[in-house]
Amino acid sequence: ELKVEQNPLFLSMQEGKNYTIYCNYSTTSDRLYWYRQDPGKSLESLFVLLSNGAVKQEGRLMASLDTKARLSTLHITAAVHDLSATYFCAANLDSNYQLIWGAGTKLIIKP
Amino acid sequence: GAGVSQTPSNKVTEKGKYVELRCDPISGHTALYWYRQSLGQGPEFLIYFQGTGAADDSGLPNDRFFAVRPEGSVSTLKIQRTERGDSAVYLCASSLFSGGDLDEQFFGPGTRLTVL
Repeated sequence: ELKVEQNPLFLSMQEGKNYTIYCNYSTTSDRLYWYRQDPGKSLESLFVLLSNGAVKQEGRLMASLDTKARLSTLHITAAVHDLSATYFCAANLDSNYQLIWGAGTKLIIKP
Repeated sequence: GAGVSQTPSNKVTEKGKYVELRCDPISGHTALYWYRQSLGQGPEFLIYFQGTGAADDSGLPNDRFFAVRPEGSVSTLKIQRTERGDSAVYLCASSLFSGGDLDEQFFGPGTRLTVL
């Protein structure tokens, strides 16, 4: 059974600081997703990571995937208030499109 | 717009009633997914359609839940004899389903169901 764990579940940080959110998954998965969710809103796709060593960057966010360690990270560089949201990672079983989700990391960035 | 749409945005019903939730996927997307999200949690998979058929309904919690997609586009999630524990946001997503990055799932705004 595929399980996805994120940590931390809650993160409060100052603007300008760097931090990393971790996503561990329990069994083989062929892709890893990161989504953002603002309060009361739906899920916005950030990154899809398809292979070991994949790294993708968009603005102040960078995601990476290590399939051997079954670990993905979402790194935030020089955080700004607009990045405050809940971030979810999700993985799927090989050849299965059912996404299994982490519990989410609620990120609050203080000015 | 060209995104996934869901109606209604909010639904309040009484325990024991029947509800239908509608999802209109992105045009041309063959795969459609239903998820349920409770407050403070990640989405929970319910069912996935490839075209008109339910390719995986393993996430449906019990036989009160049923979903259809008769023409391979719009889908309806049906809940019979609603219970208070069914209260959640029901999310619909669609994807192109052709491999690689194009399997990315795009989510609708959700339907917030409240069972009194």
